[in-house]
Order: sequence, then structure tokens, then C-alpha cells
Amino acid sequence: EAGVAQSPRYKIIEKRQSVAFWCNPISGHATLYWYQQILGQGPKLLIQFQNNGVVDDSQLPKDRFSAERLKGVDSTLKIQPAKLEDSAVYLCASSPGLKLFFGSGTQLSVL
Amino acid sequence: RKEVEQDPGPFNVPEGATVAFNCTYSNSASQSFFWYRQDCRKEPKLLMSVYSSGNEDGRFTAQLNRASQYISLLIRDSKLSDSATYLCVVGLIGGSQGNLIFGKGTKLSVKP
Repeated sequence: EAGVAQSPRYKIIEKRQSVAFWCNPISGHATLYWYQQILGQGPKLLIQFQNNGVVDDSQLPKDRFSAERLKGVDSTLKIQPAKLEDSAVYLCASSPGLKLFFGSGTQLSVL
Repeated sequence: RKEVEQDPGPFNVPEGATVAFNCTYSNSASQSFFWYRQDCRKEPKLLMSVYSSGNEDGRFTAQLNRASQYISLLIRDSKLSDSATYLCVVGLIGGSQGNLIFGKGTKLSVKP
């Protein structure tokens, strides 16, 4: 069974630039999550989708972060403009219920 | 008080040792509990769910104490391959479809 696919694997940008991450969840999983994991910390939820509707985006910095999930399948997460403190691994996860299946993540470095 | 708290470690143990991790949570309405394992530079993977009656999976035993609001993970006969960070995850069942909160993780290093 194919897992959660994410791209790119790594991204290096300068502060104030824009960046976008892509996620393709496991087929049939209605729930999709984006997490931010800063080095040495646990994953922090940014946004949760149920099909193509937003369930929880309370911790998403909406002045610079945006996310969409068109047609209830693939999702993109965008940061515009990036700040130094956005350096982290961005993990996408999908779920058929409560158990999460994570992608390999995108490691973002903001210089 | 943080929502999910774990001792960050590291726990350095010899092969064959028994090691236990605890995790406390602040929301008494929490309904679902998990342990995830995260290897260095890898994504988290589900290790096991934690059930009210406690549950065992091979060398791993998880327990839940609702009254004291903590969960534990016991690893017996530690292997080198058990070296990883163990993340405690607590969730609510309800409108947020789970609303899973991760702890910062406890790092385990098993030495030969």
C-alpha cells in the first residue's frame, strides 16, 4: 500500500521568500493534517482537513501560512513570506480515523 | 501547565534493560492515547494505542491511569534497535475528529 507522499524533501530559502509544500495522502483517507516539527519538539498541528473542509486551523499563523485541499485529496501548504523561525520539518499525515500515517516530511531551512 | 508533558531524557540504557517512560496530560476529557516512535530524521510511526485496561505488544506494555492523568510505556529486554524518540499522543474524540496533541518526546538510547 502506498504511503503518504510529500515533496519536496528539502527546501532552503531566504527569509521573506515564499515556499509551498505538497502532500498526497493515502487513498481513501478522508482526514489530512499538516504538522510543524521544530528540532527537539513534538509535532504541532497547523491545520486539519476533513475531505476538503477545514476542521481545525486554530494554530495556523494565518498572516503568512495558507493551506488548501482541493477535491478532498492532495493538499498544499504555503508560507508567504517566510521567517527564520519557520525553519522546521513540515509533516503531512492522513488518517482513516484517529491513527495517523505520516509522510517523510519536508525539511525547511530559512536563512 | 502544558497539555502533554514528557521527560525529554535521554534515557541511556544497556541492551537487555527494562526502561519505562511516563507522560502526563492536562485535559481530563481526553479519550484516546497513543505512543508513537520517531527515529532520527524520520517521520513518527504509530507504536501502539493505549487502552484503559492496559495492553501489551511483545516487549512493549502501555498503561493508562485516568485518575492521575498519565500514561506509561514499558520496554522490556531493550534492543539496540529500540533507540529512538518516543512520542506520547493524547486526543479528544469529538467535533475535531480527534484533535491529537503530541508531547515533545522522550529520547531513548540503548547501548551495547
